[in-house]
Amino acid sequence: SAVISQKPSRDICQRGTSLTIQCQVDSQVTMMFWYRQQPGQSLTLIATANQGSEATYESGFVIDKFPISRPNLTFSTLTVSNMSPEDSSIYLCSVLGGIETQYFGPGTRLLVL
Amino acid sequence: GEDVEQSLFLSVREGDSSVINCTYTDSSSTYLYWYKQEPGAGLQLLTYIFSNMDMKQDQRLTVLLNKKDKHLSLRIADTQTGDSAIYFCAPGGADGLTFGKGTHLIIQP
Repeated sequence: SAVISQKPSRDICQRGTSLTIQCQVDSQVTMMFWYRQQPGQSLTLIATANQGSEATYESGFVIDKFPISRPNLTFSTLTVSNMSPEDSSIYLCSVLGGIETQYFGPGTRLLVL
Repeated sequence: GEDVEQSLFLSVREGDSSVINCTYTDSSSTYLYWYKQEPGAGLQLLTYIFSNMDMKQDQRLTVLLNKKDKHLSLRIADTQTGDSAIYFCAPGGADGLTFGKGTHLIIQP
């Protein structure tokens, strides 16, 4: 199984600022995903990040708000830009470790004041 | 897009079996996953079933898939207090997963 770490694990930010979340995997993976879990809600896919190509965003999510980098096969970042209280969520990265397995990182808990 | 429906709560007595149900709309889902989320914790992959299977058993867990009805269930035998968590059904494939809202499993002593 893939071991995934995220930094920071939690943060409290002021509205209007930006936060970059890092996701590190212990093995090379082709596909990485970023999800959001709003308080008391299920997970929603934000975007898919493949190394060497632009991220693919789901409906309702745009690159200007959630820019993503994928510089290599073990690392990705998600930036939450110009934050508002509505961005308070848990942000999770996930990897397709093999066709039968999709693993999640521990999540980054973000509170925007 | 895909719709995934689950009951929000399920209450069972300790030692009984729990059956968590899920319906989905996208018949092209390749894999169907069950994840467990304990309070304040991350998502734990519990089990999964490939779309061409009807059943999969893994120790206390049994997954049943009715592809015709687009119905997935997770049975937990001999439910214990440590099974108390939110269980998410998540059909999908290489393009990512669509999650249900999660079923809160409540264990009564």
